[in-house]
Amino acid sequence: AQSVSQHNHHVILSEAASLELGCNYSYGGTVNLFWYVQYPGQHLQLLLKYFSGDPLVKGIKGFEAEFIKSKFSFNLRKPSVQWSDTAEYFCAVSPLNTDKLIFGTGTRLQVFP
Amino acid sequence: DVKVTQSSRYLVKRTGEKVFLECVQDMDHENMFWYRQDPGLGLRLIYFSYDVKMKEKGDIPEGYSVSREKKERFSLILESASTNQTSMYLCASRGGTSGRHEQFFGPGTRLTVL
Repeated sequence: AQSVSQHNHHVILSEAASLELGCNYSYGGTVNLFWYVQYPGQHLQLLLKYFSGDPLVKGIKGFEAEFIKSKFSFNLRKPSVQWSDTAEYFCAVSPLNTDKLIFGTGTRLQVFP
Repeated sequence: DVKVTQSSRYLVKRTGEKVFLECVQDMDHENMFWYRQDPGLGLRLIYFSYDVKMKEKGDIPEGYSVSREKKERFSLILESASTNQTSMYLCASRGGTSGRHEQFFGPGTRLTVL
């Protein structure tokens, strides 16, 4: 079955630290890839997405993600986190030509000043 | 701005009650989705609809049904609520015909079944 793995369940960082959240998926075909973020008390919202082309994509608030096809990975990065980045982050995969979006289990990020 | 609204933020029901969760979107999107969100499990798809009166089962449809009589409204129904259906329920909508398009989420309904 198709699945998305986020191995970091809870990450705690100090402000200005660098961030990398892992995401791996199990699907052999072409996929569309997404990172969503849920700030405390807010709606789930799109952070960035990848369909094709340059495997390094930039999203909102200084986030970026790199698609590595050979590793089935789409890791999220930010060079310097802020307290306001405290949130839960979800990786999601949509196999080509399907309507489904398969979510990972989420990573809770806490950033301390 | 796309707006997806859900009828309640918090709901408390008793075991065996019939529960209706309503979702409305204002962007004329064809596709609408119901997920449940549980700690450590992420979001799991319950049902989705790609057109009025059309519905497809997601990954965990058991114990749920849906209704889409109008394009903007997608209802999730728990015919006989059980304690294991205590969860956060998220509705989403998406335009376009492919999975490339972003899903827009509502604020969620936290349902507690006693």
